[in-house]
Amino acid sequence: QKEVEQNSGPLSVPEGAIASLNCTYSDRGSQSFFWYRQYSGKSPELIMFIYSNGDKEDGRFTAQLNKASQYVSLLIRDSQPSDSATYLCAGVNSGTYKYIFGTGTRLKVLA
Amino acid sequence: SQTIHQWPATLVQPVGSPLSLECTVEGTSNPNLYWYRQAAGRGLQLLFYSVGIGQISSEVPQNLSASRPQDRQFILSSKKLLLSDSGFYLCAWSVEDAVGYTFGSGTRLTVV
Repeated sequence: QKEVEQNSGPLSVPEGAIASLNCTYSDRGSQSFFWYRQYSGKSPELIMFIYSNGDKEDGRFTAQLNKASQYVSLLIRDSQPSDSATYLCAGVNSGTYKYIFGTGTRLKVLA
Repeated sequence: SQTIHQWPATLVQPVGSPLSLECTVEGTSNPNLYWYRQAAGRGLQLLFYSVGIGQISSEVPQNLSASRPQDRQFILSSKKLLLSDSGFYLCAWSVEDAVGYTFGSGTRLTVV
């Protein structure tokens, strides 16, 4: 069973701090990874995707991929209370090409 | 621009009643379409996906079915709902899976 694992949290950070969200995956053949943000009661919204080892930056968000260690992370700089949400990590199964979602990490940014 | 519409937003149905949830996509052709369910406090479970009209693949054996009568329309159905069918149902689309799915606003189904 190919899996994507996340710590459920909650991860609490003060406003203005860097929030670091982590995800590990078991499918060594996975090439593509995605981070979704899901506010309570709402549908997931795509924040970033990453294919290559290293960092990818978009505004306050940085996705990091380390294929050798099989982990993906999302850094949120200058965290705001509006960033409080559940963050879902997803990888593409190398055999079926279907998305495998983690169960999400709940982030709370404290004002 | 592309948009995805999903309705209804909330639904309360008795056990044993039928179900029909509809999803439509605008602004694109031949999208890949997906139905997911998210139970309370749990991850996203892929129920069905479709790569074209009339082409439906089922991921989980259950009392749900899906149909794609038109290129941009995807319908989730049940003849008789169970309590365990309660959850948050999400439709999603993609043209290229490599750039991520876009989800609809979801339907919160409560079976009573």
